[in-house]
Amino acid sequence: QQQVKQSPQSLIVQKGGISIINCAYENTAFDYFPWYQQFPGKGPALLIAIRPDVSEKKEGRFTISFNKSAKQFSLHIMDSQPGDSATYFCAASLRTDKLIFGTGTRLQVFP
Amino acid sequence: EPEVTQTPSHQVTQMGQEVILRCVPISNHLYFYWYRQILGQKVEFLVSFYNNEISEKSEIFDDQFSVERPDGSNFTLKIRSTKLEDSAMYFCASSPLGGSTEAFFGQGTRLTVV
Repeated sequence: QQQVKQSPQSLIVQKGGISIINCAYENTAFDYFPWYQQFPGKGPALLIAIRPDVSEKKEGRFTISFNKSAKQFSLHIMDSQPGDSATYFCAASLRTDKLIFGTGTRLQVFP
Repeated sequence: EPEVTQTPSHQVTQMGQEVILRCVPISNHLYFYWYRQILGQKVEFLVSFYNNEISEKSEIFDDQFSVERPDGSNFTLKIRSTKLEDSAMYFCASSPLGGSTEAFFGQGTRLTVV
């Protein structure tokens, strides 16, 4: 119930394409859903986050879509660039200080 | 841009030795966290700290681990007797609000236990 399942494990996209990463959760008490971007050798960096009272949040080329009834949320990266190549983690929080991370998606964007 | 700073970036220690990982959180943040990431795996929560006490800890955070905020700026993680399986990247994070909201992570300390 505490798990966050993330897919795909890896993703290859051409420059200019749309990258889509999906996450699913079981616990309906989760109330905060951030996405983190991690480059090799660096710490996770907060990219965008959403709360379950909205279905979509957009910041620049990054959009979170949230489906409360399906208990799923996804990250869409529009116009993907080689600089977006990184590992992306979804996460969820249960009104506590603990972030539960997904298993990560390694995104590679080729020119 | 303010950032969370961790030292050292890499620590090699012998099994059974004590290590202290250090962190300087963002200055106006009130909530502090330690996470770890075993190579190639997901990031796992260890402990959260607020108002000079542990607010939550995971099953990983056993008696070998302790945290401390010895002064107004540093936040440390101590592992008393390291085991091989403690080898991982350890990330410190801080947040201005509770509930993990807007948690900013440091660059990590790679701990290698030999």
